[in-house]
Amino acid sequence: GQQLNQSPQSMFIQEGEDVSMNCTSSSIFNTWLWYKQDPGEGPVLLIALYKAGELTSNGRLTAQFGITRKDSFLNISASIPSDVGIYFCAGPHTGTASKLTFGTGTRLQVTL
Amino acid sequence: NAGVTQTPKFQVLKTGQSMTLQCAQDMNHEYMSWYRQDPGMGLRLIHYSVGAGITDQGEVPNGYNVSRSTTEDFPLRLLSAAPSQTSVYFCASSYGGLGKDTQYFGPGTRLTVL
Repeated sequence: GQQLNQSPQSMFIQEGEDVSMNCTSSSIFNTWLWYKQDPGEGPVLLIALYKAGELTSNGRLTAQFGITRKDSFLNISASIPSDVGIYFCAGPHTGTASKLTFGTGTRLQVTL
Repeated sequence: NAGVTQTPKFQVLKTGQSMTLQCAQDMNHEYMSWYRQDPGMGLRLIHYSVGAGITDQGEVPNGYNVSRSTTEDFPLRLLSAAPSQTSVYFCASSYGGLGKDTQYFGPGTRLTVL
């Protein structure tokens, strides 16, 4: 089946630093989604990417759809304490948008 | 709009007991899904539905049943709970279709099976 591997698994950064994380797949995805999960909550969609090579921003967040369609990247600039949480990449199974495969997550912790 | 609501928030069961996790959405979404999240892992799809009366299996369907009698509700049933079903369960809904696959997640149900 399709698998999504995220790296790093976790990271500690200082407030104000930039953050980069990535997601790779053994198969092609036509859509890449990035979610954030706060402690005790469900995931919330941050950015959606629909085209290879696409670069999309949402405030301090920027995500890119890799040109091979097998990877995606998420960058957070000037991190702040509320960026703490788990970031998941996800992609829909071929043929239906209701079946998402999720990555294993990157846990972000910010130190003051 | 309340979005996606889930009840209960917490539940403890004994092995062999049955129960139903409730999920409702008020956004008139056609697509609804159930996921489970285990420590250190991403969410895994249990069952999903593309509309009232239509359901299908996801990645980890064994031990779970679903039905979709209305657009709004998508309950998940555990017929005979097992410790391996201890997890956090999330329900999600979306309009569906390419470009409309933003899934909105509920707050989750934390289930412990003893």
